[in-house]
Amino acid sequence: QVQLVESGGGVVQPGRSLRLSCAASGFTFGNSAIHWVRQAPGKGLEWVALISYDGSTKYYADSVRGRFTISRDNSKNTLYLQMNSLRVEDTAVYYCAKNPGPRIVAAADDWGQGTLVAVSS
Amino acid sequence: EIVMTQSPGTLSVSPGERATLSCRASQSVASNLAWYQQKPGQAPRLLIYGASARATGIPARFRGSGSGTEFTLTISSLQSEDFAVYYCLQYNEWPPYSFGPGTKLEIK
Repeated sequence: QVQLVESGGGVVQPGRSLRLSCAASGFTFGNSAIHWVRQAPGKGLEWVALISYDGSTKYYADSVRGRFTISRDNSKNTLYLQMNSLRVEDTAVYYCAKNPGPRIVAAADDWGQGTLVAVSS
Repeated sequence: EIVMTQSPGTLSVSPGERATLSCRASQSVASNLAWYQQKPGQAPRLLIYGASARATGIPARFRGSGSGTEFTLTISSLQSEDFAVYYCLQYNEWPPYSFGPGTKLEIK
């Protein structure tokens, strides 16, 4: 079955960097567009970024553009989120979520369990 | 940017009864609207995509309807496992993909 396993979260000081990973299995990773979505403690869902199936196209929320970089390594079935210049307001559980195929106009159909990033001094 | 709103914020319903959740978009999203269910400590689960198509394994008591700017998720005959938070998502125009603020469905 489809598995998405996030890792790399932790406690970090404001202004520092962190890289999240999402290891995928159970589907053809290189055929799916994939998102990062986050959820601050006790809050709703916020879309963060999307990368196309081949990594050629990337989209970002305004709140992270210029600070976060989404990337993927299809040979390793792994998605990444490089987070620089972290802010307190970036504190959240970060989920990776796959689209059912290469189409970007689609709803993510499988999600990982998330990894917690806490930005605090 | 398309803004999604959901109503009510909290809905109290008794098991076995019907629940009706609403989602509104600030401009048309055609039928590019999904519904997710999230339980405490869990990841969201896709229920409905394309405004009315049930995702794999989703029971028939979950029904999505609407198009354009007005959408409804109806859950008939609520089961204990249905009490959760429900989010709508528009994926018609992006970035950004926009989630609604959620409706908490609680036991009455």
